[in-house]
Amino acid sequence: DIQMTQSPSSLSASVGDRVTITCRASQGISSWLAWYQQKPDKAPKSLINGASRLQSGVPSRFSGSGSATDFTLTISSLQPEDSATYYCQQYNSYPITFGQGTRLEIK
Amino acid sequence: EVRLLESGGGLVPPGGSLRLSCAASGFTFSSYTMTWVRQAPGKGLEWVSAISDSGSNTFYADSVKGRFTISRDNSKSTLYLQMNSLRADDTAIYYCAKDGDSVGAVDYWGQGTLVTVSS
Repeated sequence: DIQMTQSPSSLSASVGDRVTITCRASQGISSWLAWYQQKPDKAPKSLINGASRLQSGVPSRFSGSGSATDFTLTISSLQPEDSATYYCQQYNSYPITFGQGTRLEIK
Repeated sequence: EVRLLESGGGLVPPGGSLRLSCAASGFTFSSYTMTWVRQAPGKGLEWVSAISDSGSNTFYADSVKGRFTISRDNSKSTLYLQMNSLRADDTAIYYCAKDGDSVGAVDYWGQGTLVTVSS
């Protein structure tokens, strides 16, 4: 199985900050990488697929990059509503696997 | 508008069975792979199972293989998850999810249904 490792596990940042979350795959997955946002007691929301393609309706301050084993999710200017847990997911092969999550708090 | 509505969750004793359903609307159900993802209390997301658009191909996490069965009825736009031999570590919120044009990447999620395995 492909292991997905996110860093950091948690972070705290201020409104307006640029925030970057990293996701590393245990083997190459090309660009078969998605990002999801989950707020407390809510279902996840899809943000990005194909490593860099924004889902419809996702604010442009979110962006994704990377390929093979190293990926990043960037929020260019943090907003209060971005407080959530973020997960990466590989869909290069079954079984599909998620990262452990990164909890983002607003200072 | 895409809607995914799960049902069938509840309290079941260890060793018991439960069948989850997911009623889909707002898209051509028969054209998309569908997925179940779960989340244990206070934990992260865990992919459980997926089924191809026609239902001819199914995939399972090792943790549920041989105990869970995914199926779909395209005439009813409904996804199912039959869960047998349930264990305490199957306790979780189970989310129904629709894959997008890239199979494996979810674009829409249901609100989830809670399964609690306890005596």
